[in-house]
Amino acid sequence: DAGVIQSPRHEVTEMGQEVTLRCKPISGHNSLFWYRQTMMRGLELLIYFNNNVPIDDSGMPEDRFSAKMPNASFSTLKIQPSEPRDSAVYFCASSLAMGASGYYEQYFGPGTRLTVT
Amino acid sequence: KNEVEQSPQNLTAQEGEFITINCSYSVGISALHWLQQHPGGGIVSLFMLSSGKKKHGRLIATINIQEKHSSLHITASHPRDSAVYICAVSGGSQGNLIFGKGTKLSVKP
Repeated sequence: DAGVIQSPRHEVTEMGQEVTLRCKPISGHNSLFWYRQTMMRGLELLIYFNNNVPIDDSGMPEDRFSAKMPNASFSTLKIQPSEPRDSAVYFCASSLAMGASGYYEQYFGPGTRLTVT
Repeated sequence: KNEVEQSPQNLTAQEGEFITINCSYSVGISALHWLQQHPGGGIVSLFMLSSGKKKHGRLIATINIQEKHSSLHITASHPRDSAVYICAVSGGSQGNLIFGKGTKLSVKP
């Protein structure tokens, strides 16, 4: 398997522009996580999906952020409009999930480094 | 107070030294994860454990559920072990990870 695939790997955009980050999880994994990493705050959860359904989006900073998972093999994280403080590395991760019996090891994508000027 | 605390924040060692990184947490968990992030930025899962001890090559991870504490040990450290080591916990029925701030390890030849 190719692992978790993220695109683009790098994105530079101007403040106010829309940014769309993409993620393809590992085939067969039914949980998908979006994380953000900054120097100040480290890694933090933005949102996660189980069987394509958003379970917890409490980490999404504000309404400018939205995420979708239209099918088991694709997810997007959109920022509209983008601001300089959104500059960070955004990681997507996937895992198997077995409901109440627990979750499994997470596999991380390479990340998208976003710079908003 | 952070839910997951790591120590030390930074660690410099000479090649061959035995290294220990500590992690304490304050929430109920279903599992504790040790992750490795190399300078290039990629994150790799090293261990996921909910009790006892796991070993993989020169890496050993232990957890004490009663004390809410875990340690990651590296035996015979090597410069290629230089990376940021991140402790994270997953709690109850929630699958998401709560991360520590990471320990930056530098192993000198």
